[in-house]
Amino acid sequence: GAVVSQHPSWVICKSGTSVKIECRSLDFQATTMFWYRQFPKQSLMLMATSNEGSKATYEQGVEKDKFLINHASLTLSTLTVTSAHPEDSSFYICSARLRGLMNTEAFFGQGTRLTVV
Amino acid sequence: QKEVEQNSGPLSVPEGAIASLNCTYSDRGSQSFFWYRQYSGKSPELIMFIYSNGDKEDGRFTAQLNKASQYVSLLIRDSQPSDSATYLCAVSKSGGYQKVTFGTGTKLQVIP
Repeated sequence: GAVVSQHPSWVICKSGTSVKIECRSLDFQATTMFWYRQFPKQSLMLMATSNEGSKATYEQGVEKDKFLINHASLTLSTLTVTSAHPEDSSFYICSARLRGLMNTEAFFGQGTRLTVV
Repeated sequence: QKEVEQNSGPLSVPEGAIASLNCTYSDRGSQSFFWYRQYSGKSPELIMFIYSNGDKEDGRFTAQLNKASQYVSLLIRDSQPSDSATYLCAVSKSGGYQKVTFGTGTKLQVIP
């Protein structure tokens, strides 16, 4: 299957600082990437849909000014958690789908565990 | 009504048995259906992807889709302890730009 690489795999930061997470599709072009958040013992919740060259679409309840998404190229999307607080501590996972209008699989990065202290 | 519903489990099966995982979805416009396996603390791993009614087999895994009943299932034959994980059902509309919506997952325990 296609490879999606996410970096870093874990990060600890102080409250009030910002953290950037990168998501790369290594062997395919991804017009659209998705950012999910998963709290312990819960399912994946979609935060936003990232489209190359345009603004991200955020799900209801997700603060766009707090979770900045940039999709600069067909292989790279970044999520920046600004002014992080302990309640932002979670497992953040990116996903990418192959380009095209037909049914396509969705591949996931390895996730980033963020701990805000 | 949740978009994607799964029994949270845990579902316990003895080693070598068949594990049956079920999922229903609410959006009749859904066209792509996925089963992911997620080990604790890890990212989801794609197990099966199906978009046509009927069965799709891959090794010990068989996905079954019934769009009329809005139902998708996953059968795991000859279950192994290493299959113990949370299985996530996910659905999407057609197209690589469409979001994928997940169920809450079913925890499977395979007892040696």
